Amino acid sequence: QVQLVQSGAEVKRPGASVKVFCKTSGYMFITYYVHWVRQAPGQGLEWVGTINPSGTTTTYAHKFQGRVTVTKDTSTNTVFMELSSLRSDDTAVYYCGRGRLEYSIRGGFDLWGQGTPVTVSS
Amino acid sequence: QSVLIQPPSASGTPGQRFTISCSGSSSNLGRNTVNWYQQFPGTAPKLLIYRNDQRQSGIPDRFSGSKSGTSASLAISALHSDDEADYYCAAWDDSLNAWVFGGGTKLTVL
Repeated sequence: QVQLVQSGAEVKRPGASVKVFCKTSGYMFITYYVHWVRQAPGQGLEWVGTINPSGTTTTYAHKFQGRVTVTKDTSTNTVFMELSSLRSDDTAVYYCGRGRLEYSIRGGFDLWGQGTPVTVSS
Repeated sequence: QSVLIQPPSASGTPGQRFTISCSGSSSNLGRNTVNWYQQFPGTAPKLLIYRNDQRQSGIPDRFSGSKSGTSASLAISALHSDDEADYYCAAWDDSLNAWVFGGGTKLTVL
């Protein structure tokens, strides 16, 4: 069955970078976008960005542009999200989600990883 | 402030019909379809409704969705105690070139 398995919890200092992975299985990797969504403690969901696994196109939310990089490794069906210049308000659970529609950014997300807690603290 | 607007909290009793609203603008709900997600504490969100009114596989038919203009609604025809969760609407925004979410509605079943 389709699975998205994420890397484990991270603790980082302010100003550092964090790189989280999302390993997918059970479907054709290049067919569906993989998105990143985060949730700060006690807060709602916030879209971070996405990658088109059939190419190299990435799209990021405006507030993260310049600080976030989403990449992929087609050989291992894995997507990575790196967030730099971390601040305390980047403390959140980061989820990956598979796009719902083939080859489309617009379908939303149908299946999710388990989430990766990232804590930014001095 | 979220781009899509939902009431932050709501409550109902078992068996009651319940509706959650989601208000947007011409660049998101006015042009694109809406999805609804359910989230229990400490777990990943789950897709309930996609393309305004289509139930995801395995979702009970007690859940339904609708959209008109720049507003959308999620309805639960008969509340169960295990429906107590957070509910989020989401849509693509053509102006922001981004996915946007509602702030979430925390549903309490009394």
